[in-house]
Amino acid sequence: GAGVSQSPRYKVAKRGQDVALRCDPISGHVSLFWYQQALGQGPEFLTYFQNEAQLDKSGLPSDRFFAERPEGSVSTLKIQRTQQEDSAVYLCASSLGGIRTDTQYFGPGTRLTVL
Amino acid sequence: AQTVTQSQPEMSVQEAETVTLSCTYDTSENNYYLFWYKQPPSRQMILVIRQEAYKQQNATENRFSVNFQKAAKSFSLKISDSQLGDTAMYFCAFMKLPSNTGKLIFGQGTTLQVKP
Repeated sequence: GAGVSQSPRYKVAKRGQDVALRCDPISGHVSLFWYQQALGQGPEFLTYFQNEAQLDKSGLPSDRFFAERPEGSVSTLKIQRTQQEDSAVYLCASSLGGIRTDTQYFGPGTRLTVL
Repeated sequence: AQTVTQSQPEMSVQEAETVTLSCTYDTSENNYYLFWYKQPPSRQMILVIRQEAYKQQNATENRFSVNFQKAAKSFSLKISDSQLGDTAMYFCAFMKLPSNTGKLIFGQGTTLQVKP
């Protein structure tokens, strides 16, 4: 079946603008993750959902970052009042069950550039 | 807190030869998973291999195998018979167990170039 998809693939924002990044997980996957990957670095965990419940948001860097998954499928990561340090690739991943050790399948990412 | 270190930013290997990528980690946990992920240029990250810390036998997946040294906190990836399609960035990752969230902690990555 289809893999994890993310949109847009590229986003350019002016400093201070709000952005919304979308993730469509693999159909039926219970768990959904967001990671932030700075240029030349490994991904860093942002947040985790099991169905519609956000069980861990410890990695969100500030209160300008907000994620939701209202119906337990599609998820949106919103960044308010973007700043240059928010420039990164934002990766979404999903896994089949509520078992946290299930294999995570990653999307292609959204590359955010804040000018 | 757990950390993962990949000390080789870039490596290259000739096609058909063998290459080993290094990874060390720091944790006070006794049980955990370790992973190697592959991120090809402009393509999605995929899981290459995983190892459960309580299993002494090293994991293998076709041409990919690991050398897991728990006492030394070392987890290297060996790629045999390297192919052009192995060109990618490789990330070592750690997950503590039990995990309430499935949070992965990644290293900085190693860029591998396979040369024809």
